[in-house]
Amino acid sequence: AQTVTQSQPEMSVQEAETVTLSCTYDTSESDYYLFWYKQPPSRQMILVIRQEAYKQQNATENRFSVNFQKAAKSFSLKISDSQLGDAAMYFCAYMKTSYDKVIFGPGTSLSVIP
Amino acid sequence: SQTIHQWPATLVQPVGSPLSLECTVEGTSNPNLYWYRQAAGRGLQLLFYSVGIGQISSEVPQNLSASRPQDRQFILSSKKLLLSDSGFYLCAWDPILNYGYTFGSGTRLTVV
Repeated sequence: AQTVTQSQPEMSVQEAETVTLSCTYDTSESDYYLFWYKQPPSRQMILVIRQEAYKQQNATENRFSVNFQKAAKSFSLKISDSQLGDAAMYFCAYMKTSYDKVIFGPGTSLSVIP
Repeated sequence: SQTIHQWPATLVQPVGSPLSLECTVEGTSNPNLYWYRQAAGRGLQLLFYSVGIGQISSEVPQNLSASRPQDRQFILSSKKLLLSDSGFYLCAWDPILNYGYTFGSGTRLTVV
């Protein structure tokens, strides 16, 4: 069965600095999709970034980028120029195929220090 | 436009009472729909998913049930709530193929 692990329950970063959140996953599939979701204090789940496993190029969305290492089954999220609004719970997630179930990691709580 | 609605936002219910949470999607047809539960300080656990009217798959045996009476409506129910049913319940759907889920705003359920 597929699993998603986030080994950092909590992290903190100074405003304007860069932080990297770690995620590893276990799968025997070759094609799949990975996601990072953000859950701010409002608890609304927001999709931050997605990565297709068959693409070697790392996805980037403004200040958010990923380091996708397929062989190592690692999918880390880098947040550059951290802002106070980045403070949230971040969930790494995996989806095997189209319209399959999304499996979430346990989450990393990120604090941003002014 | 495609939107997902979930209600109520907050609910406090006594142990043993029934539960009904509703989720509806607008602007699409035959969506895949999902119910997740998030316990305090923890990740998301998939409870049920549905690929069509009357089609429900259960991921975790528990005190809850789900139904899909209409194409764009997904309901989470319980006949008798337990204290352990407390949590944050999220409905989700996947509006674009392979682009992950869009979530509703969630329901905070407290069983007292």
